[in-house]
Amino acid sequence: NAGVTQTPKFRVLKTGQSMTLLCAQDMNHEYMYWYRQDPGMGLRLIHYSVGEGTTAKGEVPDGYNVSRLKKQNFLLGLESAAPSQTSVYFCASSNFYEQYFGPGTRLTVT
Amino acid sequence: AQSVTQLDSQVPVFEEAPVELRCNYSSSVSVYLFWYVQYPNQGLQLLLKYLSGSTLVKGINGFEAEFNKSQTSFHLRKPSVHISDTAEYFCAVSDFGGSQGNLIFGKGTKLSVKP
Repeated sequence: NAGVTQTPKFRVLKTGQSMTLLCAQDMNHEYMYWYRQDPGMGLRLIHYSVGEGTTAKGEVPDGYNVSRLKKQNFLLGLESAAPSQTSVYFCASSNFYEQYFGPGTRLTVT
Repeated sequence: AQSVTQLDSQVPVFEEAPVELRCNYSSSVSVYLFWYVQYPNQGLQLLLKYLSGSTLVKGINGFEAEFNKSQTSFHLRKPSVHISDTAEYFCAVSDFGGSQGNLIFGKGTKLSVKP
């Protein structure tokens, strides 16, 4: 039982490049989330999903897209990376009353 | 709208001393409250949660928190800290019923335990 895994762990992008972050969970959870963490800002919700095939915007969705084609996977895409997207990205899944977090992806955009 | 305020961004404390990390929230509906811990270069781990029932909640690693509805607070306490408790602690709130389980996080409190 791996819980929540994230791929990749680290990535460096140049401004304007695109990439996809993968989140996978093996707990059969319906709810999945993407957050970004910046120093002194706590965690802010980017997008979330309440089930396969559904997605919704969170607090800071601009510049990101998501897809939930399979229940166990939640993908976060950056179409044209900007330096302001340099951050640590966390995925979480939930059984509704508790969120379980992945180890994070550290993204640097130069 | 809900919000969470963690009153201290950094808390230095000596080993074996007691500690309290303060958290206040605002919400117009009933809430569920959480404390998460983040060790350096790791993800977040749930310390404890309040969903209903007893207002004193016990969590892992000897931590406990008390829900005070009248003061809209959910302060985290530990009677005697260890070096290994050095980490960042996040308070979070959810109304679950209307927000699909979304959590609103405070900005975090960095606990530094010194020998």
